[in-house]
Amino acid sequence: EAGVTQSPTHLIKTRGQQATLRCSPISGHTSVYWYQQALGLGLQFLLWYDEGEERNRGNFPPRFSGRQFPNYSSELNVNALELEDSALYLCASSWDQGATNEKLFFGSGTQLSVL
Amino acid sequence: QKEVEQDPGPLSVPEGAIVSLNCTYSNSAFQYFMWYRQYSRKGPELLMYTYSSGNKEDGRFTAQVDKSSKYISLFIRDSQPSDSATYLCAMTSGTYKYIFGTGTRLKVLA
Repeated sequence: EAGVTQSPTHLIKTRGQQATLRCSPISGHTSVYWYQQALGLGLQFLLWYDEGEERNRGNFPPRFSGRQFPNYSSELNVNALELEDSALYLCASSWDQGATNEKLFFGSGTQLSVL
Repeated sequence: QKEVEQDPGPLSVPEGAIVSLNCTYSNSAFQYFMWYRQYSRKGPELLMYTYSSGNKEDGRFTAQVDKSSKYISLFIRDSQPSDSATYLCAMTSGTYKYIFGTGTRLKVLA
């Protein structure tokens, strides 16, 4: 069974550009989470999608946005890139979060570098 | 005060040693506790998942939760060089909000 897949593996952008990161959850999982992991820092929660809806977002500016498609895959968009956006962006998936706590399974991440 | 505190290390041990990794937390509502292993430039891999207090064992790994002290531990027996990685603790009260520690870097020396 395939795990969580993310693309691209690496992404290099310049300041002010836009970045689009993609994530496919484990088959059967409906919840997708996005986290930012900057060097030396812990995982910071960005966004949570479930059943196509944005359920919650972390303490990040509106230029971080995303969506979840009918097949439960997800996209994270970062507009007006800043140097401090350079980080590993991790996607995680779980079964429906609504009923009970579920385990998070992570992809390998997209390393975003902003020059 | 951070909700979850974890010593960043690095922690260096000889091969075969018993490793103890720890996290403390402040939110008494946390009920679900996890340990993830993360190799360099890779995503975290779920190692252990426990609910409430007590111990859980899986092969060379043992997870302990002491809710009265707000303290969780991961023990690795017979450590191997392949165990060299960053270990993240994570916890949640049962909602979408998972809180992660910053991770402890472990080096197992051959």
